[in-house]
Amino acid sequence: EILMTQSPATLSVSPGERATLSCRAAQSVNINLAWYQQKPGQAPRLLIYGASTRATGIPARFSGSGSEKEFTLTISSLQSEDSASYYCQQYNNRPYNFGQGTKLEIK
Amino acid sequence: QVQLVQSGAEVKTPGASVRVSCKASGYTFTDNYIHWVRQAPGQGLEWMGWINPKSGFTNFAQKFQGRLTLTRDTTISTVYMDLSRLRSDDSSVYYCARVYGTGSFFSFWGQGTLVTVSS
Repeated sequence: EILMTQSPATLSVSPGERATLSCRAAQSVNINLAWYQQKPGQAPRLLIYGASTRATGIPARFSGSGSEKEFTLTISSLQSEDSASYYCQQYNNRPYNFGQGTKLEIK
Repeated sequence: QVQLVQSGAEVKTPGASVRVSCKASGYTFTDNYIHWVRQAPGQGLEWMGWINPKSGFTNFAQKFQGRLTLTRDTTISTVYMDLSRLRSDDSSVYYCARVYGTGSFFSFWGQGTLVTVSS
């Protein structure tokens, strides 16, 4: 089982600034890494898959990078609607574990 | 458009079983695996297992082996999740989710079903 660790747990950033969220895998997951956004009371929404490919309809201000064990989700020019929890998920090996999440607050 | 519509909230007593349904529409039901993910109140996401709607084959996370059953009815494009021997820590929102292509990541999600286990 691959442990996924996200940091920081909470992040507070001003509108228009950049947010950088990290996800670390205990062992290599190649580029089989997805990012999701979840707002309270809603189902998660796929943002990124294959570590860096934006899902359909996702704004260009969301970008993903990394491979093997270290991954980053960058949200440039933050907007108020980006306030949410963000989860990474590895799908290289079963069980397809998620990280514990990063809560992004917009100041 | 692709939609996954789940059944409504359930309240169960410890030791009971629960069934949650997930009705798919807007695509060919047998083309994509359906997974189940749960989320305890205020907590993160936990992958549970998948079903291949075409073959009926399933695979589960180790912790759910023996308690989780996934089935499907292709005539009505519906997947069922049955979880038995419920405990209080099974209280969660349960989501069905459809994969994108062949990768086990999830492009479409149901709205979630709250299952509360309480005596």
